[in-house]
Amino acid sequence: KQEVTQIPAALSVPEGENLVLNCSFTDSAIYNLQWFRQDPGKGLTSLLLIQSSQREQTSGRLNASLDKSSGRSTLYIAASQPGDSATYLCAVPSQGGSEKLVFGKGTKLTVNP
Amino acid sequence: SQTIHQWPATLVQPVGSPLSLECTVEGTSNPNLYWYRQAAGRGLQLLFYSVGIGQISSEVPQNLSASRPQDRQFILSSKKLLLSDSGFYLCALEYGPGVADTQYFGPGTRLTVL
Repeated sequence: KQEVTQIPAALSVPEGENLVLNCSFTDSAIYNLQWFRQDPGKGLTSLLLIQSSQREQTSGRLNASLDKSSGRSTLYIAASQPGDSATYLCAVPSQGGSEKLVFGKGTKLTVNP
Repeated sequence: SQTIHQWPATLVQPVGSPLSLECTVEGTSNPNLYWYRQAAGRGLQLLFYSVGIGQISSEVPQNLSASRPQDRQFILSSKKLLLSDSGFYLCALEYGPGVADTQYFGPGTRLTVL
């Protein structure tokens, strides 16, 4: 059974700092991995999707890496801003390329001005 | 691009009352549709998913049910709500069929059962 863990559960940093969020999963036979952002009381917004054949994906100040063999992914946020404050969730297919996703509980990020 | 509507946005219901939450999508045809629940401290839990009209897969045994009467409509129902049904319900779509791809989420419905 696929399980996803995100560490830390919460993180508070000053504005401008570079930071890393971690995601680990138990079954490394995944087709891809996704990172989402959730603002309080809102739905999820897709940030990045990394295919299993890729090592990383970049979008603006965000960079996500994937190490399938070790069952880990990181989301790197450069030059953090108060607007980055949100909960970040990672998700992987429940099995191989399954269309059903398993989510981590997320990391709640607070960027202080 | 796709748009996902959910209503109502918030709902307060007494224990034992029925429930109907609706999700409709625009901008795509034949999507995979999903119902998730997000409860405090428990993360995002997949409840149901559908790959087409009338095709529903249940992931968690419970007093909830789902239906897909039209291609772009997904309904979550209950005949009798429990306190444990409280949570934030999210509808999502994926451009199916095939392997897992980006999922797009609606704005959610906050359900409080008293």
